[in-house]
Amino acid sequence: DAVMTQFPLSLPVTLGQPASISCRSSQSLVHSDGNTYLNWFQLRPGQSPRRLIYKISRRDYGVPDRFSGSGSGTTFTLRISRVEAEDVGIYYCMQGRHWPYTFGQGTKLEI
Amino acid sequence: QVQLQESGPGRVKPWETLSLTCSVSGDSLRSDVYYWSWIRLSPGKGLEWIGYMSYTRGTNNNFNPALKSRVAISLDTARNQFSLRLNSVTAADTAVYYCARDNFGSLDVWGRGTSVTVSS
Repeated sequence: DAVMTQFPLSLPVTLGQPASISCRSSQSLVHSDGNTYLNWFQLRPGQSPRRLIYKISRRDYGVPDRFSGSGSGTTFTLRISRVEAEDVGIYYCMQGRHWPYTFGQGTKLEI
Repeated sequence: QVQLQESGPGRVKPWETLSLTCSVSGDSLRSDVYYWSWIRLSPGKGLEWIGYMSYTRGTNNNFNPALKSRVAISLDTARNQFSLRLNSVTAADTAVYYCARDNFGSLDVWGRGTSVTVSS
């Protein structure tokens, strides 16, 4: 299995300040079709998991532009340019290149 | 707007079979674009992809090897629902179970999840 390693696992932040979460895969996530299948999800209490980013950097419809994704190959980053109170939750990276799909351990973002 | 909703018993006894259903609205299981997936979130293992099934796409189903011997996923296109069966459950199967739509290696729409506890 492709092992996804996130850090940090806990991320205390200050409102209005930037935040960054890293994710590393044990295998390249580049597909022969040229795409890299790396996703970021947000999980807030009582809500469905929400996909924020797919294919490294493509933001889902309705996701604020303060969220951005970057990286390549095996190393990826989710950035929040200015943290807002509604961003509190747990963030997961997930690879969809290899079966079985696998997730990072999750990063708990707290104010 | 596509919505998914899980349903099923909140408690299952050890060594029995867990059965959950996901009702889909706003899209059709007959889609030739998507797979339909199950995922779970447990305190011990975090998020774990269980498997998917497709009505028409190639490689119609795929399962996590760690669970493959105990898992079945089926589609009911008449009701636009898909189901998960996990047999011989133990405490390690206690988790929140989610259904989701799989769009080319990404899970773009999720249900709210249903909590299942394995306990006698």
